[in-house]
Amino acid sequence: ELKVEQNPLFLSMQEGKNYTIYCNYSTTSDRLYWYRQDPGKSLESLFVLLSNGAVKQEGRLMASLDTKARLSTLHITAAVHDLSATYFCAVDIQGGGADGLTFGKGTHLIIQP
Amino acid sequence: ETGVTQSPTHLIKTRGQQVTLRCSSQSGHNTVSWYQQALGQGPQFIFQYYREEENGRGNFPPRFSGLQFPNYSSELNVNALELDDSALYLCASSLHNYEQYFGPGTRLTVT
Repeated sequence: ELKVEQNPLFLSMQEGKNYTIYCNYSTTSDRLYWYRQDPGKSLESLFVLLSNGAVKQEGRLMASLDTKARLSTLHITAAVHDLSATYFCAVDIQGGGADGLTFGKGTHLIIQP
Repeated sequence: ETGVTQSPTHLIKTRGQQVTLRCSSQSGHNTVSWYQQALGQGPQFIFQYYREEENGRGNFPPRFSGLQFPNYSSELNVNALELDDSALYLCASSLHNYEQYFGPGTRLTVT
């Protein structure tokens, strides 16, 4: 059974600081996704990582994937309040996705002025 | 281009009742997946439909069933509702199950 673990599960940080969220998974995967969820809202796709060594950046967020270590990271640079949300990583092990995405429990991020 | 839409937005049902949730796929997408997200948890995969056939299922009992229509829209049906079925139900559409795009969700409360 595929397991996806995120840490930390809760993070409170100050604006301007840098931090990293980690996502470990237990089975070889074709794809890894990062999503953002605001309270009471749906999931917003942030990044799709498709290969070992993949790195993607959008604004203050950067995601990377190490398939050999089964590890993805989401790095936040110079955090701003608007980045406060819950962040999920999700793994697709089949490539065709018939098992769906397996999500981590999420990292609840609060960025304080 | 129209995104994924879901209806209704909110729903309150009584234990033992049946419920139907609806999802319209993003234009051009042929695959629909349904997820259940309990409060404070990550979404859990219920099942997936491709070309009107269920082609993958998570660890959910048979009282969770679905349909996909020729226009790729989909329904999720839940029979014999239990209190633990209270959750946000998310529909996601994709093309040949590449990147999944999520709808706004239906918040189901079972009392």
